[in-house]
Amino acid sequence: DIQMTQSPSTLSASVGDRVTITCRASQSIGRRLAWYQQKPGGAPKLLIYEATSLESGVPSRFSGSGFGTEFTLTISSLQPDDPATYYCQEHSYYSWTFGQGTEVEIK
Amino acid sequence: EVQLVNSGGGLVQPGGSLRLSCAASGFTFRNYWMTWVRQAPGKGLEWVANIKQDGSEKHYVDSVEGRFTVSRDNARNSLYLQMNSLRPEDTAVYYCAKHLKPDFREDCFDNWGQGTLVTVSS
Repeated sequence: DIQMTQSPSTLSASVGDRVTITCRASQSIGRRLAWYQQKPGGAPKLLIYEATSLESGVPSRFSGSGFGTEFTLTISSLQPDDPATYYCQEHSYYSWTFGQGTEVEIK
Repeated sequence: EVQLVNSGGGLVQPGGSLRLSCAASGFTFRNYWMTWVRQAPGKGLEWVANIKQDGSEKHYVDSVEGRFTVSRDNARNSLYLQMNSLRPEDTAVYYCAKHLKPDFREDCFDNWGQGTLVTVSS
């Protein structure tokens, strides 16, 4: 089974800061990685698919990078609407595993 | 607009059964793989099961294999999860989700239901 490890588990930053979340896969998954945002009491929302593609309607301050085993979600300028838990998810051969989540807070 | 509406959750005793439903609209349901994802209280997301467009292929996480059955009715644009022999560790919010691309199994999920809470407790 593929394991997905996110870091950090929690993150506190100021409005306007650049924020980076990392996701590591236990084996190569190519570009088969997605990022989601989940706010308390809500369903997850797709932000990034295929590692780097921005889902329609998602603000351009969100971006994704990476290939193989190491991936990054970046928020270029943290906004008051961005506090949430962020999850990565791999979707490679017969496998759909989520990372454990990164909680992002505003300082 | 794509809509997925979850229903069927509730309180059930250990060993009991429950059937969850997901009503889909706003897209050609019969063209897409569909997935169930769950989230235990205060925990992360866990993929549970998925089903091919025509129902001919299904996959399950090991912890529910043999107890849960995913099915669909394309005429009714509906997805189901039959849960038997429920355990306290199955307590979670259950979401249905649509795969991003048509006819694509190993995919991410671009639309989600609102979730339905299943509580397994005596």
